[in-house]
Amino acid sequence: GAVVSQHPSRVICKSGTSVKIECRSLDFQATTMFWYRQFPKQSLMLMATSNEGSKATYEQGVEKDKFLINHASLTLSTLTVTSAHPEDSSFYICSARKDRIGAGTGELFFGEGSRLTVL
Amino acid sequence: GENVEQHPSTLSVQEGDSAVIKCTYSDSASNYFPWYKQELGKRPQLIIDIRSNVGEKKDQRIAVTLNKTAKHFSLHITETQPEDSAVYFCAASKLTGGGNKLTFGTGTQLKVEL
Repeated sequence: GAVVSQHPSRVICKSGTSVKIECRSLDFQATTMFWYRQFPKQSLMLMATSNEGSKATYEQGVEKDKFLINHASLTLSTLTVTSAHPEDSSFYICSARKDRIGAGTGELFFGEGSRLTVL
Repeated sequence: GENVEQHPSTLSVQEGDSAVIKCTYSDSASNYFPWYKQELGKRPQLIIDIRSNVGEKKDQRIAVTLNKTAKHFSLHITETQPEDSAVYFCAASKLTGGGNKLTFGTGTQLKVEL
């Protein structure tokens, strides 16, 4: 199988603080990981593409200095929400691609999601 | 960039009936079209996917059709059951480059009533 785990599943923080969310591929090496944000009753919006050993590629409108992404190894990517504000409250989900770009099925495996509430 | 539209936003069917959800995409270079089922507060689960070199794919009660010319694809669920109730998302991406950067549709809330 292919399991992707996110931690924490829920986090509540005060406005102005920073929060780190981890995304781990437990039984495979992820060539690429993706971070999404999902507001209640809305779709998943891609925030950034995370490649191991290189800088993340951010989607238009996503502030890279606010949403720091680090892909330190082939099994771990982290998203840090800096100076969080109530409008950053959302469901953050990661996904990982198991096979190399251009090869394999291309299927993405999703983490369980992390619900961030900023007070 | 890619733009995916999905209809309807809500769909209510009687148990045993069929459900159809439709999506259109804008980028003719997209070649991978997965469908996900998401229950409240949970991760999206891949239920079926189709590539651009195939027009139809079926897996038990679930089928997906793709019309490349019209740039639309549909999800068909037959003999619906209460456990099919969830939000369904279509998505589109280009697999040959850029990894698998999915653009999701807006979602369809499917409710299967007894």
